[in-house]
Amino acid sequence: SQQGEEDPQALSIQEGENATMNCSYKTSINNLQWYRQNSGRGLVHLILIRSNEREKHSGRLRVTLDTSKKSSSLLITASRAADTASYFCATVDGGGADGLTFGKGTHLIIQP
Amino acid sequence: DADVTQTPRNRITKTGKRIMLECSQTKGHDRMYWYRQDPGLGLRLIYYSFDVKDINKGEISDGYSVSRQAQAKFSLSLESAIPNQTALYFCATRGWAEETQYFGPGTRLLVL
Repeated sequence: SQQGEEDPQALSIQEGENATMNCSYKTSINNLQWYRQNSGRGLVHLILIRSNEREKHSGRLRVTLDTSKKSSSLLITASRAADTASYFCATVDGGGADGLTFGKGTHLIIQP
Repeated sequence: DADVTQTPRNRITKTGKRIMLECSQTKGHDRMYWYRQDPGLGLRLIYYSFDVKDINKGEISDGYSVSRQAQAKFSLSLESAIPNQTALYFCATRGWAEETQYFGPGTRLLVL
C-alpha cells in the first residue's frame, strides 16, 4: 500500500514564488527522500533527510521532518519554469525492509 | 550514455502473452529494483535483488517474476499479461553504502 499522502495533489504558482509540498507517512522510517519526475520520465533524487534530522537544505530546496507527526515538507524557493514536475516523497522502512515506499505525489506547475 | 537503461521503452501486448522487460546498469551497484507506476499514483515495489543469488518480493509481486542474470542485469517478466498490468515500469539501482536510488527512464506497457 502507499505509505501516505502528498498534499496538495496539484499546485500551480507563478514563477519566482515559493512552493511548499507536504507528505505524511504511516510507519517508522530510517530516512525520507524526495524525488522529482518530469512528465512520464524516470525519477531523480533531490534530497534525503534521516529520521534523526529535523531540517535540511540543498540549494533552493528545504526539507523538514517531524517524526512525531509522521510528516515532511519540501519547500522550493524562487521557483522556475523548469521546476514544473511531479514531486514524490519516499520512505525507507525503519524495520530494515529494503525498497522505497512512495506517496502519490504533488504535481507542481510553474506559470511563467 | 545513461547509467540505467531499460528496454523496450514502449510495448503493446495482448492478454495472455508472456513479456520480458530488461534493465541494465553501468553504475556497478549490487542492489536493483523493479517498480510500477499507475496514473496519478506513486511507485510501488514489485521485486528487488541484493545480488545475483538474492531475490526478494516487494509489495505487489503477484503475476510477476524476475531474473538477475548478472550484477548489471535485472529482468522483469509477466508470465501471462493481463490488462491491469498496464502501467509504467521503472528499474532502479542502489549501491550497498548508498541510500539514494537511481532510476531508469521507464518502460510504458499496454496490455490489450
